[in-house]
Amino acid sequence: SQQGEEDPQALSIQEGENATMNCSYKTSINNLQWYRQNSGRGLVHLILIRSNEREKHSGRLRVTLDTSKKSSSLLITASRAADTASYFCATDPTGRRALTFGSGTRLQVQP
Amino acid sequence: GAGVSQSPSNKVTEKGKDVELRCDPISGHTALYWYRQRLGQGLEFLIYFQGNSAPDKSGLPSDRFSAERTGESVSTLTIQRTQQEDSAVYLCASSLVRGDEKLFFGSGTQLSVL
Repeated sequence: SQQGEEDPQALSIQEGENATMNCSYKTSINNLQWYRQNSGRGLVHLILIRSNEREKHSGRLRVTLDTSKKSSSLLITASRAADTASYFCATDPTGRRALTFGSGTRLQVQP
Repeated sequence: GAGVSQSPSNKVTEKGKDVELRCDPISGHTALYWYRQRLGQGLEFLIYFQGNSAPDKSGLPSDRFSAERTGESVSTLTIQRTQQEDSAVYLCASSLVRGDEKLFFGSGTQLSVL
């Protein structure tokens, strides 16, 4: 079963708007990562947040982590058409050795 | 190499045939992962290699699936007696070590079982 679940499954916004995606997970984690996937092929790492961090920024990306609620959010500000992709959260559960991925959010940014 | 390389990029096979998928990780990366992704779905963990440790095979869906890795280099994922439900993109990733390390993914192998 999936450790992480993203919400919403699909999101369509206009260029310039902000996009927010959420991820919930079930067990204790060491860290949580967000990845981007274009065209159903290889994933690209975006950002990593550790379990003792609450917020992290990278360019137009802002990630928050609430370990008490077992949830994370990814905010993309001032979206561009090129941000159109699927976004996945991945958790590094304590006691396991492999990253576990959620089911993803498909983001469509309309020009 | 510059990145994770997977071959072939596409594979069409007939039901019941065996297939081998290859992954060349980034040089020096000790951890290697295989994932499966069905159309429109998330990534399903298959198997994980870390250095000389015993691999974590807990995600392999059946005994038709197996994988090997030679030292800290090439890995091969083998699917025997393929079934139509095996059709998916098979993704390989590597990282320097297990832990707070990001994964670098290959472009995947699209497997179609007719």
